[in-house]
Amino acid sequence: DQQVKQNSPSLSVQEGRISILNCDYTNSMFDYFLWYKKYPAEGPTFLISISSIKDKNEDGRFTVFLNKSAKHLSLHIVPSQPGDSAVYFCAASAPPYDKVIFGPGTSLSVIP
Amino acid sequence: DAGVIQSPRHEVTEMGQEVTLRCKPISGHNSLFWYRQTMMRGLELLIYFNNNVPIDDSGMPEDRFSAKMPNASFSTLKIQPSEPRDSAVYFCASSSNRAYNEQFFGPGTRLTVL
Repeated sequence: DQQVKQNSPSLSVQEGRISILNCDYTNSMFDYFLWYKKYPAEGPTFLISISSIKDKNEDGRFTVFLNKSAKHLSLHIVPSQPGDSAVYFCAASAPPYDKVIFGPGTSLSVIP
Repeated sequence: DAGVIQSPRHEVTEMGQEVTLRCKPISGHNSLFWYRQTMMRGLELLIYFNNNVPIDDSGMPEDRFSAKMPNASFSTLKIQPSEPRDSAVYFCASSSNRAYNEQFFGPGTRLTVL
């Protein structure tokens, strides 16, 4: 049973518009969440994270929103750029934070 | 720092053969993770080590898979005997306890079992 779900396998967005990637989780013990980005033939790289004590964390064009009651988080990219085209993994962690559980990923294509 | 190093980058083998994947974590990192990525299951955690000690191997698919970490700078993931369903990309990642879950991934090994 998947504890971290990304129900959209793929997403296409026009350059300059907003990209919204969604993630849902089932384990109520998760209280730290991360997004990773992966280009073809490379390993995933850390993008942004959020603790459950916050409902928003922003880093440049990337913002992650957390809705604890709905067990839902989303990653917003504004404005989207062609270089953002990649697979985005949502991940979650619970105490003692020794490991993370990854979702299946969403492939984002930003069309010039 | 060179980052996490994995070898080989590509491996093609025949069913029944032994396969050994290698990983060198970032110096100073004390946790090491092995993942497998497939289209169907995404990124699955197979096993992780902390200070060279295996902590959780519940993700290892079956007894054909084994992993070792003989020292802080080297780990192996072995599949014996290999089967076609083991074909996937295998990633190694490392992290520091100070980095609060931020894991640094290697480039992966693409394994094809014919």
